[in-house]
Amino acid sequence: NAGVTQTPKFRVLKTGQSMTLLCAQDMNHEYMYWYRQDPGMGLRLIHYSVGEGTTAKGEVPDGYNVSRLKKQNFLLGLESAAPSQTSVYFCASSYGGGVLETQYFGPGTRLLVL
Amino acid sequence: GNSVTQMEGPVTLSEEAFLTINCTYTATGYPSLFWYVQYPGEGLQLLLKATKADDKGSNKGFEATYRKETTSFHLEKGSVQVSDSAVYFCALRDSTGGFKTIFGAGTRLFVKA
Repeated sequence: NAGVTQTPKFRVLKTGQSMTLLCAQDMNHEYMYWYRQDPGMGLRLIHYSVGEGTTAKGEVPDGYNVSRLKKQNFLLGLESAAPSQTSVYFCASSYGGGVLETQYFGPGTRLLVL
Repeated sequence: GNSVTQMEGPVTLSEEAFLTINCTYTATGYPSLFWYVQYPGEGLQLLLKATKADDKGSNKGFEATYRKETTSFHLEKGSVQVSDSAVYFCALRDSTGGFKTIFGAGTRLFVKA
């Protein structure tokens, strides 16, 4: 049981380049999330999905797009990378969206934008 | 809006010392409270949780009690080990927040042998 996996683990981009981060979960979870983690700021929600084919904006969505074409996958795209997007990106999933839900996290993708 | 405030780190302790990491929260509804731990190079994983006032969550020797009167959820461990060195995040989940999880900034713990 792999849980939540993320690809790639590390990436360096130049300003203006694009890339897609892939998150996959094998727990049949309905909810999936993308966070960014910056020093001293904890985790901030970028986008989330409550089911296949649905997405919604989180706290810091600007500069990112997402897609959830398959239940097990949640893609995060950067169309034109900026240095401010240098961060560690975590994907998470949960079975439901209730207040009792535990989120399961992937190992993270470290992104450096030059 | 909802928020979580944690004590700033880093916290440095010797092995077998007592640990307290303070966490207070602001919430408009009736939140569930969580502590997540992040070991070096890994993602966050759930350490413990409490779902209503006066509940005590516990796991791996760590404990935290949901105190509604002081809006707190402090993490404690009686005797830390080097392997407890990690970043600890307090978090809440509240139905009025659209079922989103709000995380504190994290507290880094170093345990020396």
